[in-house]
Amino acid sequence: AQRVTQPEKLLSVFKGAPVELKCNYSYSGSPELFWYVQYSRQRLQLLLRHISRESIKGFTADLNKGETSFHLKKPFAQEEDSAMYYCALSGGSNYKLTFGKGTLLTVNP
Amino acid sequence: GAGVSQSPSNKVTEKGKDVELRCDPISGHTALYWYRQSLGQGLEFLIYFQGNSAPDKSGLPSDRFSAERTGGSVSTLTIQRTQQEDSAVYLCASSPRQRFEKLFFGSGTQLSVL
Repeated sequence: AQRVTQPEKLLSVFKGAPVELKCNYSYSGSPELFWYVQYSRQRLQLLLRHISRESIKGFTADLNKGETSFHLKKPFAQEEDSAMYYCALSGGSNYKLTFGKGTLLTVNP
Repeated sequence: GAGVSQSPSNKVTEKGKDVELRCDPISGHTALYWYRQSLGQGLEFLIYFQGNSAPDKSGLPSDRFSAERTGGSVSTLTIQRTQQEDSAVYLCASSPRQRFEKLFFGSGTQLSVL
């Protein structure tokens, strides 16, 4: 079974502060991890995936297999980062994308 | 054309009625997914299509829920005898054969069961 846990439903930070959105997963094999973002009144969209190891909009995420985590980080939050963030996992079957319950990030001015 | 299209965007129905939700995927995308998004529950997987077949229906909450896909394109999610707990946003997504980095979502259908 595959499971994704996002422990924080809400996260509020001030502009310019660092932000970390936590994601832990449960999967016995080698997972593929993703972060999706949904801005207000917009569609859910891919933010980044662990395989690409890239930085998107200043966000990075590192897969830690020892801690089974894939936390999303940004050193200096911006107001436009305010959105709902979902961590997602794809397992061996490779057709099922399992999402966490999401974290609503608010960046205050 | 444009992205994944879902209709209607909003649906208000009375408890006990049947509803049909439609999804037009991106042309050429063979994989199609239905998810349910509700407050505090995140995105709940409902069903996956590869072409016209649905190898995984495990996420459908009850036998009141069914889905089909025809011509490898349009998909319809049907909910019979709707209940208030069915109220949620129903999201459709499509991708070229299980390429999640190319998974695109529709804007969803907001279903309200009174």
